[in-house]
Amino acid sequence: DAKTTQPPSMDCAEGRAANLPCNHSTISGNEYVYWYRQIHSQGPQYIIHGLKNNETNEMASLIITEDRKSSTLILPHATLRDTAVYYCIVRVTNTGKLIFGQGTTLQVKP
Amino acid sequence: DAGVIQSPRHEVTEMGQEVTLRCKPISGHNSLFWYRQTMMRGLELLIYFNNNVPIDDSGMPEDRFSAKMPNASFSTLKIQPSEPRDSAVYFCASSLEANYGYTFGSGTRLTVV
Repeated sequence: DAKTTQPPSMDCAEGRAANLPCNHSTISGNEYVYWYRQIHSQGPQYIIHGLKNNETNEMASLIITEDRKSSTLILPHATLRDTAVYYCIVRVTNTGKLIFGQGTTLQVKP
Repeated sequence: DAGVIQSPRHEVTEMGQEVTLRCKPISGHNSLFWYRQTMMRGLELLIYFNNNVPIDDSGMPEDRFSAKMPNASFSTLKIQPSEPRDSAVYFCASSLEANYGYTFGSGTRLTVV
């Protein structure tokens, strides 16, 4: 599976949009981009995933560049409860494996 | 839906003892995964099952670790004998199909003294 690069940490003001970047320059055509987050001492939580098109659900939006070499997770109105480690993962769908990197620690501040 | 259920939530044991961690996946999910998390190594995939069959156990650290899934609703991860370096949070996750998002349990915090 392709490797991802994320900034180790980011801050965001409460109520503002949080934009979390991820680079995956070696991604293959059949690899999906997945985002998970882990709030302190809890199990990771699925957020969203996509292949080529931008995706949106009740939690977040995923913007994938046209060349698919990078993506951005957008939390439109960050709250203090969004403070967590966010993981960007690329995965071939039929392997069933998610390999977690170090992620980005997002701190939402009042 | 009760989610993925893990037991116990906390386990403290002495070095050399056998430890068994338990997981009940979400009903209807056919893939199950065991992860270990430490500060030093982050989240590591240990093993995963599809339709109760172990598919990839390349992440299992050594022969002291073993995992079973006797039926679709139950899995165990056993460490025998346990060592202090096994201290970690162990997570179980399940998914409906391989390309769906996983649902994680709350984890078992293991401390080996």
